[in-house]
Amino acid sequence: QKEVEQNSGPLSVPEGAIASLNCTYSDRVSQSFFWYRQYSGKSPELIMSIYSNGDKEDGRFTAQLNKASQYVSLLIRDSQPSDSATYLCAPFRGYQKVTFGTGTKLQVIP
Amino acid sequence: DGGITQSPKYLFRKEGQNVTLSCEQNLNHDAMYWYRQDPGQGLRLIYYSQIVNDFQKGDIAEGYSVSREKKESFPLTVTSAQKNPTAFYLCASSMGGDITRVNTEAFFGQGTRLTVV
Repeated sequence: QKEVEQNSGPLSVPEGAIASLNCTYSDRVSQSFFWYRQYSGKSPELIMSIYSNGDKEDGRFTAQLNKASQYVSLLIRDSQPSDSATYLCAPFRGYQKVTFGTGTKLQVIP
Repeated sequence: DGGITQSPKYLFRKEGQNVTLSCEQNLNHDAMYWYRQDPGQGLRLIYYSQIVNDFQKGDIAEGYSVSREKKESFPLTVTSAQKNPTAFYLCASSMGGDITRVNTEAFFGQGTRLTVV
């Protein structure tokens, strides 16, 4: 089983819709979770961090964490064409490597 | 400005040649990482370091070497043993530390695009 699993997509949503991105992870040690956005040819940029079970909202972004189910998600409300990118999930496991999922490609259709 | 600087942005390597990619950070981060990304693929971990003078192999360390003599610097050497080095190389840093620590996000440099000619 992969350490971090994401649907590679592409996930296509119309402009203004809600995009839902999902991530599952294999170990129960991870306590912190990060979502990164990567535009084509660019380096990843951090968009959300979540440490506790439940929801965390930041503008149009909401991260959801369920440690019992080993599941973390990212919702993007009112999706814009500029949101079209690959979204990477990364759990943090303390004194160990930061492992990334392969990413979900999101396409927002105008 | 605090951040991570990778250089050069573009690098061309001849067959059989070793090349070194630079990564410097002024964020006072303990942990540093090197990733490789191939077109349309995810990030694969090459090496990581949680403290000065110590580093560990990641998932694809063969053909690469690193050093961590200073907290701020984590250079990556792509050796001639790496048979397919053409890729986008990303350096990142984070505070690292205990599993319960917060604010442990990894931040990335702008990347180095390496091409074999």
